[in-house]
Amino acid sequence: DAGVIQSPRHEVTEMGQEVTLRCKPISGHDYLFWYRQTMMRGLELLIYFNNNVPIDDSGMPEDRFSAKMPNASFSTLKIQPSEPRDSAVYFCASSRQGAFEKLFFGSGTQLSVL
Amino acid sequence: DAKTTQPTSMDCAEGRAANLPCNHSTISGNEYVYWYRQIHSQGPQYIIHGLKNNETNEMASLIITEDRKSSTLILPHATLRDTAVYYCIVRVDFDNAGNMLTFGGGTRLMVKP
Repeated sequence: DAGVIQSPRHEVTEMGQEVTLRCKPISGHDYLFWYRQTMMRGLELLIYFNNNVPIDDSGMPEDRFSAKMPNASFSTLKIQPSEPRDSAVYFCASSRQGAFEKLFFGSGTQLSVL
Repeated sequence: DAKTTQPTSMDCAEGRAANLPCNHSTISGNEYVYWYRQIHSQGPQYIIHGLKNNETNEMASLIITEDRKSSTLILPHATLRDTAVYYCIVRVDFDNAGNMLTFGGGTRLMVKP
């Protein structure tokens, strides 16, 4: 398996623009997670899905952020409109359901909002 | 989930064992200890986890004290590629709960030639 695949690897945009980050989880994994990492706040969980259904979005910072998982092999995280404080590395991770399962992370998307 | 305390940074000589401590004095009986690491510009990577017995895999060994209030991750022969931030995480495992993990500040391990 190729692992968790995220795109784009880098995104530079201007304030006010819409940004869409994409994630393909590992095939067969039931859970998908979106994390954000900044120097100030470290690694924060934004939202996670179980079997394509959003379970907990309490970490989503504002209504400007939205996430979808239309099928088991694809998820998006959208920011509209984007702001400079959204600049961060966004990671997607997936895992199988079970008591001893571990998270597999993608390589992340480096987002810069100018 | 129990809170963890780790040193901010550590150095280790290449080829020597790296011993990374973690304090989790408020851990409860059904909480597991997980270790992840994050190499620069990459996503976090699972290393090992355990409940109360010591564990070993191809990457590392995990030593958990008898009272479970602290643990040590051991990289037996550190290489330059082991330079990374190491996160110690404590959480409960339930079949029906989310597998999300909360990452604290971690320990920045620098392996030096």
